[in-house]
Amino acid sequence: DVKVTQSSRYLVKRTGEKVFLECVQDMDHENMFWYRQDPGLGLRLIYFSYDVKMKEKGDIPEGYSVSREKKERFSLILESASTNQTSMYLCASSSWTGTTEQYFGPGTRLTVT
Amino acid sequence: RKEVEQDPGPFNVPEGATVAFNCTYSNSASQSFFWYRQDCRKEPKLLMSVYSSGNEDGRFTAQLNRASQYISLLIRDSKLSDSATYLCVAKGDSGGGADGLTFGKGTHLIIQP
Repeated sequence: DVKVTQSSRYLVKRTGEKVFLECVQDMDHENMFWYRQDPGLGLRLIYFSYDVKMKEKGDIPEGYSVSREKKERFSLILESASTNQTSMYLCASSSWTGTTEQYFGPGTRLTVT
Repeated sequence: RKEVEQDPGPFNVPEGATVAFNCTYSNSASQSFFWYRQDCRKEPKLLMSVYSSGNEDGRFTAQLNRASQYISLLIRDSKLSDSATYLCVAKGDSGGGADGLTFGKGTHLIIQP
């Protein structure tokens, strides 16, 4: 069964803290993605990676960085969290082949106070 | 800028009725289209791909009109369990399989008993 897991379902951090969100997939997918989802704004792509150590900016990369040291793991880093980064963060993965369907993790609800 | 536009709803529909919603996309280079379903407080999951010739999966029918750049989803004999947010998705193909998907903001559907 396809599985994408995220390290936390809920996270509360203070302004200025460094925040790590971890995502792991067990499907041997090449591609991994980080989105944030906000009411009225929908899903927006932050960063994606198509291979180990490779990364590409999405639509809203400012204030974020990513790391992909292993194929199965893709980390999103908030160097200095701000209140406008309070959001639902969703990780997804997909394969180069087949339907390229994206499989999503359950999401991390991050609150920055 | 790539955009996918949807009527946010909510669509309140009695159980057993047929409901249809459309979405429009701005990027004429988009090659692949999908409908995702997102239940409350859950992650998006692929409902169905949208093929140029139209496709049907049980009570669900998806159609693509490239000339007018819109995609439709029809749900027949609606069930209470169909209540969810339906996300229209376009995917550009620039030669790589890692393109992030462009999501609409979703259409909220409520099936009433």
